[in-house]
Amino acid sequence: DAGVTQSPTHLIKTRGQQVTLRCSPKSGHDTVSWYQQALGQGPQFIFQYYEEEERQRGNFPDRFSGHQFPNYSSELNVNALLLGDSALYLCASLQTSDSYEQYFGPGTRLTVT
Amino acid sequence: GDSVTQMEGPVTLSEEAFLTINCTYTATGYPSLFWYVQYPGEGLQLLLKATKADDKGSNKGFEATYRKETTSFHLEKGSVQVSDSAVYFCALILNNNDMRFGAGTRLTVKP
Repeated sequence: DAGVTQSPTHLIKTRGQQVTLRCSPKSGHDTVSWYQQALGQGPQFIFQYYEEEERQRGNFPDRFSGHQFPNYSSELNVNALLLGDSALYLCASLQTSDSYEQYFGPGTRLTVT
Repeated sequence: GDSVTQMEGPVTLSEEAFLTINCTYTATGYPSLFWYVQYPGEGLQLLLKATKADDKGSNKGFEATYRKETTSFHLEKGSVQVSDSAVYFCALILNNNDMRFGAGTRLTVKP
């Protein structure tokens, strides 16, 4: 049973560019959340997708957007990259009708230069 | 707002020492509480959880009890191993949408 997978593993971008990160949820899960983890910090909630819609959003600007596909996979897009966007981006999935237990992927390390 | 505060690290222990990592929370309702562990270069792994007051979560020798009266969920292990070296995160969730994490506590266990 494949867990949560994310791609790419690492990414280097320049300020002002745009980036797309991808996530495939654990088999049987229908909900995907995205988190940003800055170095030495705990993860911060960006948003959550369920039934292809954004269900809730954390305190992140509109430069951060997302999408969920019919197969429950998800993308995180960040426009107009800033140096401060450098972080580990984590995807987590869960089954909404189940417990609150979220399963995390290994993350994508984004470096903005 | 809802938040988690955990003891600052880093924590350095000798093998077989007793471990406690403190975690307290602030929440408007009755959250579920979690401990996650993050090994170097990896994502977060769920270590244990508790969904209501007085529940005890346990896994791999680690334990934590949901204490509503003190709004705490301290992580303990009786005898740590070198392989326990990692960063530990306390977290809460009130619904399925927004999990709040503490800043993390780095544990180093020396042989």
